[in-house]
Amino acid sequence: AQSVTQLGSHVSVSEGALVLLRCNYSSSVPPYLFWYVQYPNQGLQLLLKYTSAATLVKGINGFEAEFKKSETSFHLTKPSAHMSDAAEYFCAVASGSARQLTFGSGTQLTVLP
Amino acid sequence: EAGVVQSPRYKIIEKKQPVAFWCNPISGHNTLYWYRQNLGQGPELLIRYENEEAVDDSQLPKDRFSAERLKGVDSTLKIQPAELGDSAVYLCASSLTNTNTGELFFGEGSRLTVL
Repeated sequence: AQSVTQLGSHVSVSEGALVLLRCNYSSSVPPYLFWYVQYPNQGLQLLLKYTSAATLVKGINGFEAEFKKSETSFHLTKPSAHMSDAAEYFCAVASGSARQLTFGSGTQLTVLP
Repeated sequence: EAGVVQSPRYKIIEKKQPVAFWCNPISGHNTLYWYRQNLGQGPELLIRYENEEAVDDSQLPKDRFSAERLKGVDSTLKIQPAELGDSAVYLCASSLTNTNTGELFFGEGSRLTVL
């Protein structure tokens, strides 16, 4: 069984501030981990993924995430928030055949001017 | 390259009415998924196809939901009759077969409102 917990359904940061979105996972086998972003009225778009290579993963738009097995975490960060980063972010885990993603409940990021 | 195309984008119906959603995946993607996303929640898998075969439909409410993927390309998802609790966004996604990266490409979704 696999699951994902995203801590904080809403996160607000000021423009230029650090973005930190938290994700913890549960998986009985080594997982693949993903962050997806969803802009209003759009489908989900892959931001970055961890597939057992480097533990620090860089994605699009300046985001990165670090896989920490000891903490079962895959938190998403960005050093400096931009207004265009305002969106909903979903962490997801896949294990076994890696073809079925289980999504977290999402974190809505608001960027304040 | 065209992305995953879904229609309609929005649909409002009264309860007990039927509704159907259509999805055209990315060319060459043999795996197709239907997800349901309730307000404030993450997507939940309804059904996954490998070509024409439904290989995982354990979460599909089969008493009122049905899906098909004829010829292994386009797919339709039908609800009959719709209930108030079916109001959600229905997302279609596709991926390459035999990929172990789990990267899915999503359409913009079909937002269903049941009155």
